[in-house]
Amino acid sequence: DSGVTQTPKHLITATGQRVTLRCSPRSGDLSVYWYQQSLDQGLQFLIQYYNGEERAKGNILERFSAQQFPDLHSELNLSSLELGDSALYFCASSVTGLAETQYFGPGTRLLVL
Amino acid sequence: ELKVEQNPLFLSMQEGKNYTIYCNYSTTSDRLYWYRQDPGKSLESLFVLLSNGAVKQEGRLMASLDTKARLSTLHITAAVHDLSATYFCAVDTTGGGADGLTFGKGTHLIIQP
Repeated sequence: DSGVTQTPKHLITATGQRVTLRCSPRSGDLSVYWYQQSLDQGLQFLIQYYNGEERAKGNILERFSAQQFPDLHSELNLSSLELGDSALYFCASSVTGLAETQYFGPGTRLLVL
Repeated sequence: ELKVEQNPLFLSMQEGKNYTIYCNYSTTSDRLYWYRQDPGKSLESLFVLLSNGAVKQEGRLMASLDTKARLSTLHITAAVHDLSATYFCAVDTTGGGADGLTFGKGTHLIIQP
């Protein structure tokens, strides 16, 4: 158990819908990352936050957005969902967000039908 | 665009044997990460290599980094069945103090008794 929690564990929804994935980092970690894992694309970095501010952006679609709240939990919002958005979404956290171990949560498995 | 290539992608080996997984990356970076993923599970951090010539060992696994050759290796010594998993290497993507990781496709390792 890494100490990073994610909810929900599983999510089934329909195309065109919007969902929100939630992540709580390890106690003391200020940086949160979101990654997507799919068979087609492998593991892809989406976005990073540090202490409430966006720090880095990866291959995040415009239909996706994220934020980190004052209590340091983060949410990833996915809208206008397409079949191809079906994937495992991981949240990871680290203390400073600089050249250190990122601890991954258990993931949210999203299925878009 | 940063590319991270692992080889082999699939490896079946017998217990007691030694083997090496290779990770090449396409651009200058001196931060290299190794993760393990069991089927249906999250990613577990194995090693963080932060400088040229860095070598780290944990049990039967040893990782090294050659930043000049843009190459990292994960060496398995006297493999045991419990090491069966998918192993990913990852490189810091974004630079500038941010730390989004670009992952290789993973090496699916099966160790047979």
